[in-house]
Amino acid sequence: GAGVSQSPSNKVTEKGKDVELRCDPISGHTALYWYRQSLGQGLEFLIYFQGNSAPDKSGLPSDRFSAERTGGSVSTLTIQRTQQEDSAVYLCASSQRGFGTSGETSTDTQYFGPGTRLTVL
Amino acid sequence: AQSVTQLDSHVSVSEGTPVLLRCNYSSSYSPSLFWYVQHPNKGLQLLLKYTSAATLVKGINGFEAEFKKSETSFHLTKPSAHMSDAAEYFCVVSPFYNQGGKLIFGQGTELSVKP
Repeated sequence: GAGVSQSPSNKVTEKGKDVELRCDPISGHTALYWYRQSLGQGLEFLIYFQGNSAPDKSGLPSDRFSAERTGGSVSTLTIQRTQQEDSAVYLCASSQRGFGTSGETSTDTQYFGPGTRLTVL
Repeated sequence: AQSVTQLDSHVSVSEGTPVLLRCNYSSSYSPSLFWYVQHPNKGLQLLLKYTSAATLVKGINGFEAEFKKSETSFHLTKPSAHMSDAAEYFCVVSPFYNQGGKLIFGQGTELSVKP
């Protein structure tokens, strides 16, 4: 079946502009995660959705970053007033159950999309 | 706090020789552990996953990893390297309890395979 998809694949923007990154999870997956991969920081967790709610936003680096998920499916990560340090590859992942659902005894496998490469000039 | 340390940033092997990528973890609880691989300009792909069912975990493409609680290690091995194994490998811990299932990544090990 179809995997996790992300759009756009590449985004170049000017400092100070807002950007929106989109993630389409695997159909039926209830949990959705955003991560960021940058040269200096490696791979970092940003935010986790269970359905439409976000029980863990602890990785968002500043209040310029926000995310939402609607209909338990598509998610959008928005970065306002972009800075050069925001340049990175933004990865989305989804998993079938997520955390806190009944019966799980270990972290569910997360399936990753190809990422959006963001360049802030 | 939970963390994972990959002991080598770069490993180089010859085709046909064994591969060893080392990983140590720190976790207050019984963790879930993963190895992911990332080929150039490709997404992250799951190689294998440890969830306490068995300490020796077999993954795709002939890779396996052994969970050693006493050593807090989860090293990745393969008996014979193939050119197509050249990629970046990430050891990942998910503390599971009280952490929302998020993944904590090591810094990655770049594997080069020489002909």
